[in-house]
Amino acid sequence: NAGVTQTPKFRILKIGQSMTLQCTQDMNHNYMYWYRQDPGMGLKLIYYSVGAGITDKGEVPNGYNVSRSTTEDFPLRLELAAPSQTSVYFCASSFTDVTGPYGYTFGSGTRLTVV
Amino acid sequence: GNSVTQMEGPVTLSEEAFLTINCTYTATGYPSLFWYVQYPGEGLQLLLKATKADDKGSNKGFEATYRKETTSFHLEKGSVQVSDSAVYFCALRTGNQFYFGTGTSLTVIP
Repeated sequence: NAGVTQTPKFRILKIGQSMTLQCTQDMNHNYMYWYRQDPGMGLKLIYYSVGAGITDKGEVPNGYNVSRSTTEDFPLRLELAAPSQTSVYFCASSFTDVTGPYGYTFGSGTRLTVV
Repeated sequence: GNSVTQMEGPVTLSEEAFLTINCTYTATGYPSLFWYVQYPGEGLQLLLKATKADDKGSNKGFEATYRKETTSFHLEKGSVQVSDSAVYFCALRTGNQFYFGTGTSLTVIP
């Protein structure tokens, strides 16, 4: 199994440009998440989705958009890139039951630099 | 609110030394607690977890005990190896959300 696949691995954007970070999982997980990892700041949740067609904001959603048209895919969109969005972005997915999420799996990350 | 505080790094140890990485948490309700490990260039991988007070999670020689009275979940390993060099994240889960600590970088030298 591929698990959680993120593309691209690296990207440099100019201020004001747009891009979409792709995330695909093949584990039939119902939950998917986007995090950003800044040095010394740990991971912050940007958006998450509990199933196809349903998305919710996390801690730091400003400047980002998401969609979940299928179970497998959860793309993250940056419309007007800003230097503050320079970070490493991780997609994750999980199952969930009455006790909460389990089987949490992370992708290998996308390193984004905005100049 | 919910938050995780873990000891700042970087931590440098010699091979076969004892490792402790401290982690304390603040949470509403009864969270589950986790340690994740991130090797260079990779995503986070689950190392161990504990879902209720006094549970001990263990994996690959690492251990952590869920201490409700001290709100702690310290990571320990009796004898570290060079291959343990990585960044370690403490995390709590409450409801459907995870909260991560800032990570502690560990380097083990031969």
